Amino acid sequence: EVQLVESGGGLVQPGRSLRLSCTASGFTFGDYAMSWFRQAPGKGLEWVGFIRSKTYGGTTEYAASVKGRFTISRDDSKSIASLQMNSLKSEDTGVYYCSMDVWGQGTTVTVSS
Amino acid sequence: DIVMTQTPLSSPVTLGQPASISCKSSQSLVHSDGNTYLSWLQQRPGQPPRLLIYKISNRFSGVPDRFSGSGAGTYFTLKISRVEAEDVGVYYCMQLTQFPWTFGQGTKVEIK
Repeated sequence: EVQLVESGGGLVQPGRSLRLSCTASGFTFGDYAMSWFRQAPGKGLEWVGFIRSKTYGGTTEYAASVKGRFTISRDDSKSIASLQMNSLKSEDTGVYYCSMDVWGQGTTVTVSS
Repeated sequence: DIVMTQTPLSSPVTLGQPASISCKSSQSLVHSDGNTYLSWLQQRPGQPPRLLIYKISNRFSGVPDRFSGSGAGTYFTLKISRVEAEDVGVYYCMQLTQFPWTFGQGTKVEIK
């Protein structure tokens, strides 16, 4: 069974950093691109970023709202995709999901002083 | 950025009756590779999103056949042939043709 489990969320002050992880199982992780999405409280879905598989260079794409602050990486040996979030703002608050068609349950990030 | 506009934003339906949601994109979603990367997702209350349909009309694994997608270019439709209680939630269209990927505002499906 394909499964994605996000972790690493929590309460963080504005300007600080947080690293989210997405641990995959049930499929050959290295063959797939991985995406991150988020959902602010009571709002719709927003795409955050994307990392291609190594076959396609492992390159990344980001939403304008996070470009330069967030970095997506992958460790195919551990089947983990990561989202490094720096210079966090209150508007980054929400539930963060990883996905490769199947979605994880999400991890909550709250940016507040 | 491609703007995705869904209608209606709320859809009260009777159990067993059909429901339909429209999604219009601000520009064509036909990719240079010839595919149209338009997906539909369902988000039940308190749950993460779930992929229902990809590339306009392909049902994802495990999705009941009462869900169907259609359309082309800039206009797309999700239809539920007979609404069941478990279909209550918010439905989003999403384009993956061009970065940044963008979503419609969401359509809330509820039972009358």
